[in-house]
Amino acid sequence: AQKITQTQPGMFVQEKEAVTLDCTYDTSDQSYGLFWYKQPSSGEMIFLIYQGSYDEQNATEGRYSLNFQKARKSANLVISASQLGDSAMYFCAMREGKGSQGNLIFGKGTKLSVKP
Amino acid sequence: EPEVTQTPSHQVTQMGQEVILRCVPISNHLYFYWYRQILGQKVEFLVSFYNNEISEKSEIFDDQFSVERPDGSNFTLKIRSTKLEDSAMYFCASSDLAGGADTQYFGPGTRLTVL
Repeated sequence: AQKITQTQPGMFVQEKEAVTLDCTYDTSDQSYGLFWYKQPSSGEMIFLIYQGSYDEQNATEGRYSLNFQKARKSANLVISASQLGDSAMYFCAMREGKGSQGNLIFGKGTKLSVKP
Repeated sequence: EPEVTQTPSHQVTQMGQEVILRCVPISNHLYFYWYRQILGQKVEFLVSFYNNEISEKSEIFDDQFSVERPDGSNFTLKIRSTKLEDSAMYFCASSDLAGGADTQYFGPGTRLTVL
């Protein structure tokens, strides 16, 4: 079974509009972390935002926010006011238990294209 | 801002040759990782390293792979006898136990091409 599911292989959004990228996860651990990374065409992996399983508030980082719905096991990324430079692959990832040394499990990614 | 660095950015090798991929993690980080991404696929965990030993490894990380921290700054991944299917982007990452969010910061990657 997939631990991280990203159901949208590709998404389009108009510049300056908001977009939501979906991510659901599967774990039986009580302590886990959820991450979003951006991978532009140049290939590097850029950390965007983190949500801990015990965090009561949804994480926000500038134009990025994470819509964390624990009961539904979803951790959707919301990008507000999309910019052309947001066009990239976006990966959702989970770190299960084991404290800080736990490895990340990635989803298959969503390719976001921002239209001018 | 501190960052993870990796060299080389691109490595081309012949099948059966040994390659060493190098990484310099963020200086105060304690946990180090290698991941790989085959072209067009998702990122896969290979190995984690803490306190000079392997913490965890995936089934991908077989006897052909090894990791080492030869000095206080470098973290290397060695593939002893490369195969065509080892062609991928290899990412090094590091994280800090005391950082709270225990975020893993990735390097820019090394693209390995095995011919």
